[in-house]
Formats: sequence, structure tokens, C-alpha cells
Amino acid sequence: GIQVEQSPPDLILQEGANSTLRCNFSDSVNNLQWFHQNPWGQLINLFYIPSGTKQNGRLSATTVATERYSLLYISSSQTTDSGVYFCAVRGGTSYGKLTFGQGTILTVHP
Amino acid sequence: DSGVTQTPKHLITATGQRVTLRCSPRSGDLSVYWYQQSLDQGLQFLIQYYNGEERAKGNILERFSAQQFPDLHSELNLSSLELGDSALYFCASSVEAVSEQYFGPGTRLTVT
Repeated sequence: GIQVEQSPPDLILQEGANSTLRCNFSDSVNNLQWFHQNPWGQLINLFYIPSGTKQNGRLSATTVATERYSLLYISSSQTTDSGVYFCAVRGGTSYGKLTFGQGTILTVHP
Repeated sequence: DSGVTQTPKHLITATGQRVTLRCSPRSGDLSVYWYQQSLDQGLQFLIQYYNGEERAKGNILERFSAQQFPDLHSELNLSSLELGDSALYFCASSVEAVSEQYFGPGTRLTVT
């Protein structure tokens, strides 16, 4: 099946810093989503981005489907951005199944 | 709030027991998915239903079963529970069978 790799595995920032999280996938995808899992365990949708670029406030994402990667940018980070960021993809033969990466653990210090 | 509801929030039970987790999808969504999140396996897809029919199956154990009812809510049944079944179980829903998925708050299952 499709493989998803996220980097870096851990990231520690000071409030106000910017960061880039990367997601590489091993095959073509029809769906790519970024999620934030907060300290209470909730999975919050950030972006649905099988291709192209989207922005939502301090967050933006770019997916280059032909090169099989996606990037999540966080600018002016805040302590509330702490948590785990997951990339999840659906391959062409996977029907509705999302395959998740292992996540990037982000810690933002005040 | 994603609009997907799951009950119960927490469940503590003993090995060998059986439990039922319940999920109500967002209004208008026809597809329901179940995922398991554990420390060693990460987030894993279990099963998908679309308008009452099973559409995709992942690494779901034979001791686990699910169904989607005519009102579109879904239940995940876990039987003969083992310590290793302790995990966070998520339900997700989407409008179409292959569109953006929205996740519920999860049910945290602890098997003692």
C-alpha cells in the first residue's frame, strides 16, 4: 500500500517562530488532508489539499502531487499550535481509506 | 466541533469483555469510517461504510465488527477484548465515499 513519511518527527519552537512540516508519499493520491491533533486528542481538519496551495490565517499548505510531497507552513507560531500534525492520503486504489503518516510533534514555548 | 459525535468518550473494561462504540455522522454525510489510534501502530483505518453498505476494509480484527444503520449512525463492536485493544477509536464521516473526512472526538478504550 501507499507509504506516508512525515518530517521532522519532533519540532520545538519559541512563540513567534515560523516552521515547515513535510509529508512525502510513495504513490499518486486523490486526497490529501492535514490534521492537528490537540492535547485532548481531537483531530482537527486543517486542509483538504490533493494539489495546489491553500491558506487559512497563519497556516498554509502546498501539495505538489507530481513530486509526491506536501508542505504545511505555520507562521508566527503560538502555544496553542502545540500538538501533533498528521498528513493523511488516499491512494487511487484505496477507495475511502486514509493512510496516515506518523506525525510531527510540535511544541511551542512561550 | 466537526459535527461528528461519538459515545462514550471513555470506556474501561476487562479482558474478554465486549463493548459497542457508537458514532453519528455529520448531517448529510453518507459515509462513515472507523480508525484506531494506538501508540505502537499509529492511526490505522479499520472499515468504511457508505449508505449502509460496507465499502472498504482495513486491518480490522475478526473480533471486531461494524455496521451502519438506516439512520446512518454506525456502531463498532469489539469482542473478546485484549490488553492490546486499548486505544483511541475515531469515527469519521464524509459526504461522498471518497471526499474530505471529518473526525469525531474519539472513544478512549482501556482494557484492564
